Amino acid sequence: AQKVTQAQTEISVVEKEDVTLDCVYETRDTTYYLFWYKQPPSGELVFLIRRNSFDEQNEISGRYSWNFQKSTSSFNFTITASQVVDSAVYFCALSEALTGGGNKLTFGTGTQLKVEL
Amino acid sequence: KAGVTQTPRYLIKTRGQQVTLSCSPISGHRSVSWYQQTPGQGLQFLFEYFSETQRNKGNFPGRFSGRQFSNSRSEMNVSTLELGDSALYLCASSFTSGNRGEQFFGPGTRLTVL
Repeated sequence: AQKVTQAQTEISVVEKEDVTLDCVYETRDTTYYLFWYKQPPSGELVFLIRRNSFDEQNEISGRYSWNFQKSTSSFNFTITASQVVDSAVYFCALSEALTGGGNKLTFGTGTQLKVEL
Repeated sequence: KAGVTQTPRYLIKTRGQQVTLSCSPISGHRSVSWYQQTPGQGLQFLFEYFSETQRNKGNFPGRFSGRQFSNSRSEMNVSTLELGDSALYLCASSFTSGNRGEQFFGPGTRLTVL
């Protein structure tokens, strides 16, 4: 069975600090996709990134960067120079290759990030 | 492009009633998935519809059902509501049905069962 673990329940940082959110996954699939979503207080899940299992290149998008390490089954997310607007719950998710196709995301329990002034 | 819309945004029902939630996907998207989010269980997959057919179903009782229309809009129905059905119900749309599809989520419907 697929599993995603986000061991950090809550992280508090001061604005401008860098912060890394950890994600560890388990899957038997050889082809899979990993995602990060942001959930602000409004509730909507905002898509941040998708990475397939064959692409281990790190990715940077502005203040956001992602480190995918297949050897340790981890897909960590770093926010550089954090801002108050980054305060939200962040979810890591794994897509599952289902018999007959289909979309299904397995989510971690989320990490609540609080950025304070 | 307009995003995923869900109606209503908030709903209060009593035990034993039934409820219907609606989701309109992004234009051109044919896959609609539903997720339930609760503090205790987190985000859990309910089911996915693609081209009016249910492709996959999560581990939920038969009281939870859904359907998809020819314009890709989807509805989710919960019958005989229980207190534990109180949750945020999120709908996600995707262009394709396959595990590489990026899923874009709506704002959710917050259901409270009294």
